[in-house]
Amino acid sequence: SQQGEEDPQALSIQEGENATMNCSYKTSINNLQWYRQNSGRGLVHLILIRSNEREKHSGRLRVTLDTSKKSSSLLITASRAADTASYFCATDPNTGNQFYFGTGTSLTVIP
Amino acid sequence: EPEVTQTPSHQVTQMGQEVILRCVPISNHLYFYWYRQILGQKVEFLVSFYNNEISEKSEIFDDQFSVERPDGSNFTLKIRSTKLEDSAMYFCASSESGRDQDTQYFGPGTRLTVL
Repeated sequence: SQQGEEDPQALSIQEGENATMNCSYKTSINNLQWYRQNSGRGLVHLILIRSNEREKHSGRLRVTLDTSKKSSSLLITASRAADTASYFCATDPNTGNQFYFGTGTSLTVIP
Repeated sequence: EPEVTQTPSHQVTQMGQEVILRCVPISNHLYFYWYRQILGQKVEFLVSFYNNEISEKSEIFDDQFSVERPDGSNFTLKIRSTKLEDSAMYFCASSESGRDQDTQYFGPGTRLTVL
């Protein structure tokens, strides 16, 4: 399977702490994207990192990509209660334009 | 900011009935997608659509499913004879192009409940 797999499956932290989520995948990719999904709602695009990039920042988000290990991490710094959501990585393999989504990490930020 | 919209937000139907889920992609986008998410499971790709034809589909997208762009703005997913296992959130997405580095923008989803 080419699908991304996130870990941990669930993460609970106190507001203000950092949250780190990891994603692993199996085949070579063009890019990897992280999405957020609030319970029962649509997917919101967070950040895209290309296969030739190693790190990318967007506000409180930091994404790393290690293509040799086929893994990526999403770091949310100074978390807020509003960050409570499920976070998915999606990999765009070298063929086609469909994404493969992992099962997601459910993040709970406790106020 | 432009966004993908979907209607209805929630559809309840009886098993065996036909349903049509509607999406309005972002206006200058050329590639359209449908995904589904069964409750508690991962998001799964169904189909991509470009230039009025299917460009890719997954094994989930069998003969019970069809997609159409009936006019310049709508993109629809039809399930001909719904089954209980079709109950899921269905997400539409669009992208400006099918380039490898292109971002897909997702709609809020339609929750389909088949009774």
